[in-house]
Order: sequence, then C-alpha cells, then structure tokens
Amino acid sequence: NAGVMQNPRHLVRRRGQEARLRCSPMKGHSHVYWYRQLPEEGLKFMVYLQKENIIDESGMPKERFSAEFPKEGPSILRIQQVVRGDSAAYFCASSPVTAGLGQPQHFGDGTRLSIL
Amino acid sequence: GQQVMQIPQYQHVQEGEDFTTYCNSSTTLSNIQWYKQRPGGHPVFLIQLVKSGEVKKQKRLTFQFGEAKKNSSLHITATQTTDVGTYFCAGMTTDSWGKFQFGAGTQVVVTP
Repeated sequence: NAGVMQNPRHLVRRRGQEARLRCSPMKGHSHVYWYRQLPEEGLKFMVYLQKENIIDESGMPKERFSAEFPKEGPSILRIQQVVRGDSAAYFCASSPVTAGLGQPQHFGDGTRLSIL
Repeated sequence: GQQVMQIPQYQHVQEGEDFTTYCNSSTTLSNIQWYKQRPGGHPVFLIQLVKSGEVKKQKRLTFQFGEAKKNSSLHITATQTTDVGTYFCAGMTTDSWGKFQFGAGTQVVVTP
C-alpha cells in the first residue's frame, strides 16, 4: 500500500510566481491535512480537508493561499504571488477518518519550497 | 488560542542514559499524539493518548498523559543512536475536532 505521495519534492519559484503543491493521500484515506514547517521548528497547522470540503482552514493565511481536495485527484495547496517568507517545507498528512478518532496521521515526505 | 509548549528544545544524551521530554498545553486536550521526525525526514506516528492519567509503553519508550489532560511526557530509557531525531507532541481539543496543534519539538542528539 503506497504511502502519502507529495510532489514535487523540491520546488523553486521566483517572487511573484505561483506554487502548486500536490498530495495524494494513502489509499482509502479521505481526510487530508496540510502543515508548514520552518527549519528547527514544529509543524504549523494550515488546513484540514475532506473530499470536496474544507473542514478547518484557520491556520491558512487569508490571502494568496488556497487548498482543495477534489472528488477525483490529489489535494492541491496553491500559493499565489509567492514571497521569500513562503520558503518552508510543506507536509501533507492523511487519515482514514478524523485523526482525533484514534487514527494516526500518515505524513508524506514533504515539498521543500524555495523562493528566489 | 491553544498553545502547546515542549521542553527542552534540545536534549544531548549519552548513549545508554535516560531522558524525558515534556509537553504542556494551555488548554485541556481531548487527546494527544506523539511523532518522531528523523533529520531530513517526515514525522512518523508513535502513539496516541486519550484517557486522563493514561500510561503507554513501547519497548524503551513510556508515554504519559496527565490527570488534567493538559500535559504529557515521553521518557526514553537506555538511549540508543537510533533514537536520534525530533520528538513532537500534538494536541487536539474538543472544539477543534481533527485539528492538531504541534509543539516545537525536542531535538535529541545521542553521543556514542
């Protein structure tokens, strides 16, 4: 059973460009979480999605950031007009039901985003 | 808002020694999870604690959930070089179902 797949592993963008990060959850998982991690820091919750629904986006900046998890295909985290401060590792995690119901979150390898 | 604090931030341990990392929440938690992240890797789930005062063991790792469900600890005995990594706790409250607040982690370095 393949794990959580994130791509690309590394992404370089210039200021003002758009960044699209993709996450395919584990097979059978319908819950996806996105986190941001700066070097030497913990994971900051960004957004929690189920298929076609955003459940909690309280950790996501109101501007330039958006996330979706369509009925078919991977979850997408989109960052428009990137700035240097967006440089970070972005991790996606998935679970079969809400993680709080005793289910662990399975993490992907992350996307390292670098803004020039 | 909810805050999860972890101490210490760094832990240097001699191989064979024991150590403990602590996790404290500003609010009462419904449950808490622990993860380990190796350098350059991704977080890997270790355990979840749900009940007040709960204690769970995994070989040399002992996890505790406080009586008030506002703190937790991870104790590792006879540290090995394979224990190197950063240990994160992540807490969830009943009013933010599914949303986990991660601590900043304890980075563990083991000296042979």
